[in-house]
Amino acid sequence: EAQVTQNPRYLITVTGKKLTVTCSQNMNHEYMSWYRQDPGLGLRQIYYSMNVEVTDKGDVPEGYKVSRKEKRNFPLILESPSPNQTSLYFCASSKDNSYEQYFGPGTRLTVT
Amino acid sequence: KNEVEQSPQNLTAQEGEFITINCSYSVGISALHWLQQHPGGGIVSLFMLSSGKKKHGRLIATINIQEKHSSLHITASHPRDSAVYICSGEGAQKLVFGQGTRLTINP
Repeated sequence: EAQVTQNPRYLITVTGKKLTVTCSQNMNHEYMSWYRQDPGLGLRQIYYSMNVEVTDKGDVPEGYKVSRKEKRNFPLILESPSPNQTSLYFCASSKDNSYEQYFGPGTRLTVT
Repeated sequence: KNEVEQSPQNLTAQEGEFITINCSYSVGISALHWLQQHPGGGIVSLFMLSSGKKKHGRLIATINIQEKHSSLHITASHPRDSAVYICSGEGAQKLVFGQGTRLTINP
């Protein structure tokens, strides 16, 4: 089954404790992206990747890191999480940025 | 800056009604995506448009490039269509999103 998986689905953590949210797709897609969704602000793009070893900033990259060492995986790293990073995070992939995107199920992160 | 604006923000209708959700976008947007987010939170891509019109079942999406405007129509609406519909503009390899339209269809 074609899918994008994210782990964990729910995470409660404390300020400053490094965490990684994993994202994996099994469709051999080249384009992958991370978004955060906040009430009143909608979806906003954090980082995207056009292909392996090619990543670039979206609209809200501050406080986040990504890597794309393999085509299928695109982890989101929060080196020192802060409460303003409490949000719902989505990973997505597509054949390239001009094609339909497939979204992961979301990760609800709470930073206390 | 690329921007996308949707209207209305909230829409409540009776089952069977014809629904229209509108999206206006700024210069620099080369294509429009329509997404559906269910109450459980999952997001599904409905359409990607750079010109003309697309149809899938009871859903129709249109785009007018000159007017920088897109519409999503739902014919014979059903309670299962209740969801948040999000318009997203593609520009310079990035996506920008509208605020979403919360649609509620009452039986």
